Amino acid sequence: GAGVSQTPSNKVTEKGKYVELRCDPISGHTALYWYRQSLGQGPEFLIYFQGTGAADDSGLPNDRFFAVRPEGSVSTLKIQRTERGDSAVYLCASSLGTSGGRVTQYFGPGTRLTVL
Amino acid sequence: DQQVKQNSPSLSVQEGRISILNCDYTNSMFDYFLWYKKYPAEGPTFLISISSIKDKNEDGRFTVFLNKSAKHLSLHIVPSQPGDSAVYFCAATAPSGSARQLTFGSGTQLTVLP
Repeated sequence: GAGVSQTPSNKVTEKGKYVELRCDPISGHTALYWYRQSLGQGPEFLIYFQGTGAADDSGLPNDRFFAVRPEGSVSTLKIQRTERGDSAVYLCASSLGTSGGRVTQYFGPGTRLTVL
Repeated sequence: DQQVKQNSPSLSVQEGRISILNCDYTNSMFDYFLWYKKYPAEGPTFLISISSIKDKNEDGRFTVFLNKSAKHLSLHIVPSQPGDSAVYFCAATAPSGSARQLTFGSGTQLTVLP
C-alpha cells in the first residue's frame, strides 16, 4: 500500500511570502502529525490531528503557523510571512492510533523549505 | 532541555561486526520507544520499537534493549551491512492527553565499512 506522501518535495520562497505544504497520510490512519527538522537535529513536534481536529498544537512556534485537516485525511501546513529561520525539512507522519503498538508513526519523505 | 539524547554523533563499524547505538532519556513518563533510520533526502523509516513493560525486542538483525532504571536504551545490529549506513534516531513517547508526539534524539550517523 501507499505510504505517507508529501508535496512539494522542495519549496523555495522569499522572505515574507505565504506557503502551503501538503500531506497525504496512509489510508485508514486517524492520527496525523507534523514535525520540523533542522540541520543536524532530530525532528521536532509541531501539531497533531486526531480526525479533523487539531488535538495538540503546542509545538507550533508562533501564530504564523497553522494547519488544517478538513476531511480527516489530507492535511495542509500553512506558514504566513515566512522568515529565513523557517527554513527546514517539514515532515508529516501518520499512525493508526495513540495506544500500544498503534502509536508507531510512519513518516513521509518531507518537504524541504528554503526561505531566501 | 533535551529529554532524549544520543551522545554519539557518529559511529563506524566493519561489515559483519556488531553496531551498538545508544540513547538516554530523562522523562520517566516515556512508555514507548522507537528507532528510526534515515537516508539522505528521505523521511525517517521505522525500524523497531519497544514498550516500557519489556526489556528486549528482537526483529531479525535488529535488537533493542531497554534499561528503565538507567533510562537507557540501545539498538544492536548484527551482522552490520553496508546498506545499514544511515542516520539512526531514537524516539520516545508518553501518554499526554490524546496526543502521542514523538520526542527525538539528535541522531547517530552509522557508517558500515565494507
